[in-house]
Amino acid sequence: DGGITQSPKYLFRKEGQNVTLSCEQNLNHDAMYWYRQDPGQGLRLIYYSQIVNDFQKGDIAEGYSVSREKKESFPLTVTSAQKNPTAFYLCASSRQGANYGYTFGSGTRLTVV
Amino acid sequence: KNQVEQSPQSLIILEGKNCTLQCNYTVSPFSNLRWYKQDTGRGPVSLTIMTFSENTKSNGRYTATLDADTKQSSLHITASQLSDSASYICVVGGYSGAGSYQLTFGKGTKLSVIP
Repeated sequence: DGGITQSPKYLFRKEGQNVTLSCEQNLNHDAMYWYRQDPGQGLRLIYYSQIVNDFQKGDIAEGYSVSREKKESFPLTVTSAQKNPTAFYLCASSRQGANYGYTFGSGTRLTVV
Repeated sequence: KNQVEQSPQSLIILEGKNCTLQCNYTVSPFSNLRWYKQDTGRGPVSLTIMTFSENTKSNGRYTATLDADTKQSSLHITASQLSDSASYICVVGGYSGAGSYQLTFGKGTKLSVIP
């Protein structure tokens, strides 16, 4: 079955560490996205990529980095520069074009300990 | 600034009853409006997508309406089931002042269906 897979489901990070969240899709979608979800808030865009080897900052990119070396993969690194990283992180993918739906992964919950 | 406001914040209904969730937006220019269902600890799942020219769209027991003139949408759930307990998120696609396409997410309505 086609889908989008995020791993791990839960991640714990010590202060000062970088961690990488995985996102893989087999839907042949060109565009991929990373969102952050905090309690009581709408999803906020961190980074997005519309094509391999290219990506753009979203609304809250500070403290995060991404790469898009393959069409299927869009990993997100949460760096030590992100001051409040505890959140639920969602990856999504879509076809190119404004009116295509997004397919979301199941999310990764990151907790700083 | 593009905004999406949803009401109510939370709602409790008895199993088998109907309910309607509201979404008001200020996104302009408008491209599309989406409703998603998000179970706790899971990713959102698409229910409907409507463009400017569509004013109603159904997906099983879910029916979404759109009034692009008043910038309002509603999601009606018929004959609710316990599995409908989730957050329902309204998302509006539009264009920023710089001309780039973007989605604006509402905070969601948390629905609880009780036996």
